Amino acid sequence: DGGITQSPKYLFRKEGQNVTLSCEQNLNHDAMYWYRQDPGQGLRLIYYSQIVNDFQKGDIAEGYSVSREKKESFPLTVTSAQKNPTAFYLCASSTRGRSNQPQHFGDGTRLSIL
Amino acid sequence: AQKVTQAQTEISVVEKEDVTLDCVYETRDTTYYLFWYKQPPSGELVFLIRRNSFDEQNEISGRYSWNFQKSTSSFNFTITASQVVDSAVYFCALSDEYGGSQGNLIFGKGTKLSVKP
Repeated sequence: DGGITQSPKYLFRKEGQNVTLSCEQNLNHDAMYWYRQDPGQGLRLIYYSQIVNDFQKGDIAEGYSVSREKKESFPLTVTSAQKNPTAFYLCASSTRGRSNQPQHFGDGTRLSIL
Repeated sequence: AQKVTQAQTEISVVEKEDVTLDCVYETRDTTYYLFWYKQPPSGELVFLIRRNSFDEQNEISGRYSWNFQKSTSSFNFTITASQVVDSAVYFCALSDEYGGSQGNLIFGKGTKLSVKP
């Protein structure tokens, strides 16, 4: 089945530790996105990538980093610089550069601080 | 600047009632797209509908219907004869061509719908 796979489903981070959230898609989409969702809030864009080896900061990129070495994969690293990382993280993909195209979402990763 | 407002934070209805979720948007662009997504308790966002700014025709899909009114910048979503399985958080989102979102989605804060048996 085509879709987006995020792993792990739950993740715990210790103080000062970097953690990486995985996102893989087999939809052959060029564009991929990372969002953060806090309780009672909408989704806020962290990073997005329209094509392999290129990515741009979203609205809340500080404390996060990404890479896009393969079309299928867009991992997100939550660094120790992100002081409030507890949130629900959603990865999405869509046809590149098309604002009229819907984004397809994964099941999310819930990150908590130990 | 682009903005999406969902003024209803939470709505609770009894099964079989009709319910309307409101969405008001702001954009200076003449070409834009509006979306509704459903987020069930499991967490993933499910795409429901897309509407472009040039098509004001209302749409019906089963128990779901959408009312797009450019004059009031609104894109409201109605569920007829609600069911328990409709319980979820519903997000309205906007993207535009040249208004600065660069094709990215601007989300409202969502409306949590609870349908009680």
